[in-house]
Amino acid sequence: QKEVEQNSGPLSVPEGAIASLNCTYSDRVSQSFFWYRQYSGKSPELIMSIYSNGDKEDGRFTAQLNKASQYVSLLIRDSQPSDSATYLCAVNHAGGTSYGKLTFGQGTILTVHP
Amino acid sequence: DGGITQSPKYLFRKEGQNVTLSCEQNLNHDAMYWYRQDPGQGLRLIYYSQIVNDFQKGDIAEGYSVSREKKESFPLTVTSAQKNPTAFYLCASSMGGTPGQETQYFGPGTRLLVL
Repeated sequence: QKEVEQNSGPLSVPEGAIASLNCTYSDRVSQSFFWYRQYSGKSPELIMSIYSNGDKEDGRFTAQLNKASQYVSLLIRDSQPSDSATYLCAVNHAGGTSYGKLTFGQGTILTVHP
Repeated sequence: DGGITQSPKYLFRKEGQNVTLSCEQNLNHDAMYWYRQDPGQGLRLIYYSQIVNDFQKGDIAEGYSVSREKKESFPLTVTSAQKNPTAFYLCASSMGGTPGQETQYFGPGTRLLVL
């Protein structure tokens, strides 16, 4: 079983719709969760971090965390063509020699069509 | 401007050659990381360093070496032992390893190609 798994995609949504990106993780003690966006040929850029169960909103983006189900998601409201990119989920390794390490999922390609 | 720089943007390696990728940050971050990304894949950790003069192997360290002599710099050497080095190499840094400090910020990347 992969440590961090994302819905395989690619995901295609029309402009203005809600895009839903999902991520499950296997390490129950993980405490920190991140979503990155990566445009083709570019490096990842941070969209949002989340540490507590529930929702966290930032503009059109909402991250949702459910530690009991080991599940984190990213919702993009009013999707725009400029949101078309690969979205990477990352999860920390808590404590010990794994200090600071993140494990990344394989990414979900999102295409927003006009 | 604060940030992470990587050079060169593109690097060509000949058979049997060692090449070094540069990563510099002026964010005053303690921790630095090297990742490899293959087409259609996520990021795989090569090496990371939590503090100057100390570093640990990641998941795919074979064929790579690093040094951390200065806080700002974390160069990666791809040795001739790495038989399949063609990939996109990403350097990242974070304030530290405790919750809230782990957010990693990435440089623009170096694309390594084998001649």
